[in-house]
Amino acid sequence: AQTVTQSQPEMSVQEAETVTLSCTYDTSESNYYLFWYKQPPSRQMILVIRQEAYKQQNATENRFSVNFQKAAKSFSLKISDSQLGDTAMYFCAFRANYGGSQGNLIFGKGTKLSVKP
Amino acid sequence: DSGVTQTPKHLITATGQRVTLRCSPRSGDLSVYWYQQSLDQGLQFLIQYYNGEERAKGNILERFSAQQFPDLHSELNLSSLELGDSALYFCASSVDPSSYEQYFGPGTRLTVT
Repeated sequence: AQTVTQSQPEMSVQEAETVTLSCTYDTSESNYYLFWYKQPPSRQMILVIRQEAYKQQNATENRFSVNFQKAAKSFSLKISDSQLGDTAMYFCAFRANYGGSQGNLIFGKGTKLSVKP
Repeated sequence: DSGVTQTPKHLITATGQRVTLRCSPRSGDLSVYWYQQSLDQGLQFLIQYYNGEERAKGNILERFSAQQFPDLHSELNLSSLELGDSALYFCASSVDPSSYEQYFGPGTRLTVT
């Protein structure tokens, strides 16, 4: 069974600074996706960024980038130039790409990020 | 707006009761997923449907059941409700199980008193 661990329950960062959220996972699968989802106070789940396990290049989406270390099973999210609107819960998620569990997202417990003015 | 709709937005009911949560996926999406978000358990996968058929089960209680209808909307039925069932229930949809992106609905907030 796959597990996702986020070891930082809460973090804070000053506006315009950079912050890194940590995530580790455990799986015996070789073909999978990893995701970071954002959940603002509105509770809507918003996809921030995804990484395919077969790709060595780290994914980037504007101010958001990941550091994917496959051998270490580590998947951290870096937010650059933090903005007040980045204040939210951030969830790391795993998804196998084949088999009966294909499609199902396995989530970590989340990290509550506060961006301070 | 993700294109996934869920009704109702909020639901307050008593222990022992039964409720039905409804989800309409994005147009063209054949897969529907249900997730539960609670303070105790976090976000966890409940069940997946693809084109009307149950495809995978997660940590879904026996008191809970779901189905996906021919028009692809889905319903999650929760019975013999307990206080611990209070949670935010999300529906998500994707084109099919291989699609990497799931689109989440706004959720249904269930409060059991």
